[in-house]
Amino acid sequence: EVQLVESGGGLVQPGGSLRLSCAGSGFTFRTYWMSWVRQAPGKGLEWVAIIKQDGSEKYYVDSVKGRFTISRDNAKNSLYLQMNSLRAEDTAVYYCARERWSEYSSSWYRGYFDLWGRGTLVTVSS
Amino acid sequence: QSVLTQPPSASGTPGQRVTISCSGSSSNIGSNTVSWYQQLPGTAPKLLIYSDNQRPSGVPDRFSGSKSGTSASLAISGLQSEDEADYYCAAWDDSLNGYVFGTGTKVTVL
Repeated sequence: EVQLVESGGGLVQPGGSLRLSCAGSGFTFRTYWMSWVRQAPGKGLEWVAIIKQDGSEKYYVDSVKGRFTISRDNAKNSLYLQMNSLRAEDTAVYYCARERWSEYSSSWYRGYFDLWGRGTLVTVSS
Repeated sequence: QSVLTQPPSASGTPGQRVTISCSGSSSNIGSNTVSWYQQLPGTAPKLLIYSDNQRPSGVPDRFSGSKSGTSASLAISGLQSEDEADYYCAAWDDSLNGYVFGTGTKVTVL
């Protein structure tokens, strides 16, 4: 079965750290860009970070730059999000998502997220 | 930070047609493709439309997408009770070097 399964969420104090994991199965993990998307309680979706197939390119939303690090281990079919200096506003369900690109006239354009995990809840509170 | 603007709510009776707008700018919708996601209560988002107007297999043809300039739209025709959900648009933003999501629209079936 093609799926993504997140883990590692929990309760952490402000200023603390947490590492999220996402295990992919049923597809060739190493051939896809992978991303993290979060959703604060009762709020909308917010894109957090994305990483290229080989880990050579990474992009982040401004609010997490310098605090969060996205990484992957293709041998383990796994995606990670290291979250440091956590703040109350980082409280959210964190989803792992697979990115796809579209081809038009022999050129490739990003993209969309065609596969999502069920999410893992991160609560930052004292 | 949401850069794409959607109406907070939309509603209709069963069988009606509902349209949701998504307004962006030249750096996102104006230069990249738009996707739409459906999120049922308590569940993960699900891809509904990609590449502006393409449906993944398994998505009913009641759902359709369109784009013009820096705006996009999602239409739901023949509205059904199971369509009650939150809907989000998204696109890559060349200026931000990241994805941006819409503010979200809650669809209610009256």
